Amino acid sequence: EVQLLESGGGLVQPGGSLRLSCVDSGFTFSSHTMSWVRQAPGKGLQWVSIISDSGGSTYYADSVKGRFTISRDNSKNTLYLQMNSLRAEDTAVYYCATIVDTAMPEDWGQGTLVTVSS
Amino acid sequence: QSGLTQPPSASGTPGQRVTISCSGSSSNIGGSYVYWYQQLPGTAPKLLIYRDNQRPSGVPDRFSGSKSGTSASLAISGLRSEDEADYSCASWDDSLSAVVFGGGTKLTVL
Repeated sequence: EVQLLESGGGLVQPGGSLRLSCVDSGFTFSSHTMSWVRQAPGKGLQWVSIISDSGGSTYYADSVKGRFTISRDNSKNTLYLQMNSLRAEDTAVYYCATIVDTAMPEDWGQGTLVTVSS
Repeated sequence: QSGLTQPPSASGTPGQRVTISCSGSSSNIGGSYVYWYQQLPGTAPKLLIYRDNQRPSGVPDRFSGSKSGTSASLAISGLRSEDEADYSCASWDDSLSAVVFGGGTKLTVL
């Protein structure tokens, strides 16, 4: 069973950086393509990034390209999202998720809140 | 990045059948599968429908999905109070090379 737990959220000033982590307590992390999806307060879901099971392929939404970096450590069953040059519009709950059918989120973590504000 | 279009709200009474629409284009719904997610208040999304009309194990058959052209629908029959949630559609967009979501529909059970 997939059990995802995100951490690393918090309050950060505009222009600052934050690294999110997502630990999979199951036993199949290394076989899963993984993704980050965010949800701004009171808004809909927005896809952020995806990484292949080996970590060799990554893709990003235009809104975060060049600022965010997705990575993974399969030996630690952990997914990461390094977020730099943060903006107010990046304020959201960030969810990690396993992927089904190449790119679609399947199992989700409980989310971690990132607030970008001065 | 452009998303899919959903009505912001829907409502129904217990036992009723309700449908939620999701409109897209040929670059997403028209050429890719549609997925539906249920998000109960204060919780993470849950996959409800995949590949247009397939239900993951554990999802009641009261929930069904359909697609025609560049639009899709989620139908909920025998509406229950516990179905009150936000429902979002999603699809892969070939022109954007990205997953696109609808804005979500808040379902109220009256």
